Amino acid sequence: DIQMTQSPSSLSASVGHRVTITCQASQDISNYLNWYQQKPGKAPKVLISDASNLETGVPSRFSGSGSGTDFTFTISSLQPEDIATYYCQHYDNLHPITFGQGTRLEI
Amino acid sequence: QVQLVQSGAEVKKPGASVKVSCKVSGYTLTELSMHWVRQAPGKGLEWMGGFDPEDGETIYAQKFQGRVTMTEDTSTDTAYMEVSSLTSEDTAVYYCAEFYRSYFPSWGQGTLVTVSS
Repeated sequence: DIQMTQSPSSLSASVGHRVTITCQASQDISNYLNWYQQKPGKAPKVLISDASNLETGVPSRFSGSGSGTDFTFTISSLQPEDIATYYCQHYDNLHPITFGQGTRLEI
Repeated sequence: QVQLVQSGAEVKKPGASVKVSCKVSGYTLTELSMHWVRQAPGKGLEWMGGFDPEDGETIYAQKFQGRVTMTEDTSTDTAYMEVSSLTSEDTAVYYCAEFYRSYFPSWGQGTLVTVSS
């Protein structure tokens, strides 16, 4: 199975600052990498698909990049409503679906 | 717009089974690939399995094979997920989620299953 290593596990940042989260795959996964936001008590919400595709309605301060084994999720200017836990997720038709361990973001 | 509405919270004793439902609206269940993801308290997301439309079969994460059964009632557009031989380790929020291409665009609200003696 493909392992997804997400880091950091938690981070604290100030409003208006840039935030970066990384996800590393144990083998080449092309661009099959998605990012989710989960707020307390709520279901996850997909923000980025296929490594860099911003989902409809998601603010442009969110972005994703990377391919192969190394991926980055960025919030360009942190807002108070961005407090949440963020997960990466991989799928391909040869391996089970896997999630990263999550990154808890605090202000 | 797909909407997924799950059944309410459950409390079960160790060794029992639980069956969680997920009602689809906005689309028919046959138009979707339904999967299940769980989240233990304070922990991350764990994929359990789901319907693979390419094979026409349900696939399960290895960890859950033999103990979890996912079924669908297309007459009512309702998906079900049953876990047997419950232990305290199964205490979690269980989510149904639509799988599309490679990700989950729509999720149910979650069902808390508590296993306690």
